[in-house]
Amino acid sequence: DTEVTQTPKHLVMGMTNKKSLKCEQHMGHRAMYWYKQKAKKPPELMFVYSYEKLSINESVPSRFSPECPNSSLLNLHLHALQPEDSALYLCASSPARDRASMAFFGQGTRLTVV
Amino acid sequence: KQEVTQIPAALSVPEGENLVLNCSFTDSAIYNLQWFRQDPGKGLTSLLLIQSSQREQTSGRLNASLDKSSGRSTLYIAASQPGDSATYLCAVRPADSWGKLQFGAGTQVVVTP
Repeated sequence: DTEVTQTPKHLVMGMTNKKSLKCEQHMGHRAMYWYKQKAKKPPELMFVYSYEKLSINESVPSRFSPECPNSSLLNLHLHALQPEDSALYLCASSPARDRASMAFFGQGTRLTVV
Repeated sequence: KQEVTQIPAALSVPEGENLVLNCSFTDSAIYNLQWFRQDPGKGLTSLLLIQSSQREQTSGRLNASLDKSSGRSTLYIAASQPGDSATYLCAVRPADSWGKLQFGAGTQVVVTP
């Protein structure tokens, strides 16, 4: 099973709402990532977790709050977002010890902020 | 700072023709390079991973080459089909920051029947 599952597939939220994106993998990977992708642009790294600890934060605004409650699950909590935060949010995973390994991506959550 | 470039940005070929997609990177200190496919509005599908010590990697109709010293990789897709229409992205994993996959902007491919 080389699947990374993201839910929901689509999300529309108002600027005052609080919502969460969920990502799950059962490949035993101990590195998990959040990427943001705007239309016609490459994915941009937001956060990296390694062994359930935040390893990289690419200076992401605090209205995005990541959480890694266990080795299979990664959440992204959203609060007070702006319309410019509308994008495709991608989750990925890879084996943390094997830095030369392949990264697997989910199908993404299409987020629209109104 | 690592920069990854993919040229051309878009490519249209008739069915049956071979596809050649290019990826260049500025810093040769990498763990590996990965090729992905992305259909419109969808996530990324991993195609091939080529390690920094390898020159070539093959999977079915796909073949990727890597020349680390010159900072170039090429993805070849043999006998293209309309189902190959998608955006193809390359990404390098820098040796000094394993967690940061650095992506190129992609090449949008259209294969016409």
